[in-house]
Amino acid sequence: GESVGLHLPTLSVQEGDNSIINCAYSNSASDYFIWYKQESGKGPQFIIDIRSNMDKRQGQRVTVLLNKTVKHLSLQIAATQPGDSAVYFCAENRRTNAGKSTFGDGTTLTVKP
Amino acid sequence: NAGVTQTPKFQVLKTGQSMTLQCAQDMNHNSMYWYRQDPGMGLRLIYYSASEGTTDKGEVPNGYNVSRLNKREFSLRLESAAPSQTSVYFCASSEAGVAAEAFFGQGTRLTVV
Repeated sequence: GESVGLHLPTLSVQEGDNSIINCAYSNSASDYFIWYKQESGKGPQFIIDIRSNMDKRQGQRVTVLLNKTVKHLSLQIAATQPGDSAVYFCAENRRTNAGKSTFGDGTTLTVKP
Repeated sequence: NAGVTQTPKFQVLKTGQSMTLQCAQDMNHNSMYWYRQDPGMGLRLIYYSASEGTTDKGEVPNGYNVSRLNKREFSLRLESAAPSQTSVYFCASSEAGVAAEAFFGQGTRLTVV
């Protein structure tokens, strides 16, 4: 079936290092991808998005890369800070699915001081 | 801005009891969603409402009913709670269309004993 999944359930990095969180998807008809951050006890919050006709998008300290050939996207966080510790989800939307998001399982990022 | 507001934040039910989770958004969004999140997993869609007056099943609708009371409010009802429905429930809303991020509430932690 169709799925969105993350490669690693946990990631631990040193404060100040760069973090890379990966996500694979199976449906080539995906139109739009979103990364969400979920802090403990809170709902997910939007970080950055990318349309399927793009291969890179940059925000403040975050970059999303999309490789449609291998159906893979990644979230890169520069100079990771303790406040970046959270669970990160990738999600994909398709026009054929009325725009509803399908979420991956999440990667827990821990930033060590 | 309040964004998406869910009530209650915590609830303990006995097996067989019923309850309604309330959700309201003040962003004038057409689309609203109910997700459940189980430990170590992503969000799974229970029901969604693309617009006032319409509702559709998501990935895991069994045991739940919803009501889109008006554009602002979307409630989730458990008619006869089961231990398998122990989870954290999130309500979300978004603008219509595929390229729309979802805004989430803080979640309701439900335990069924």
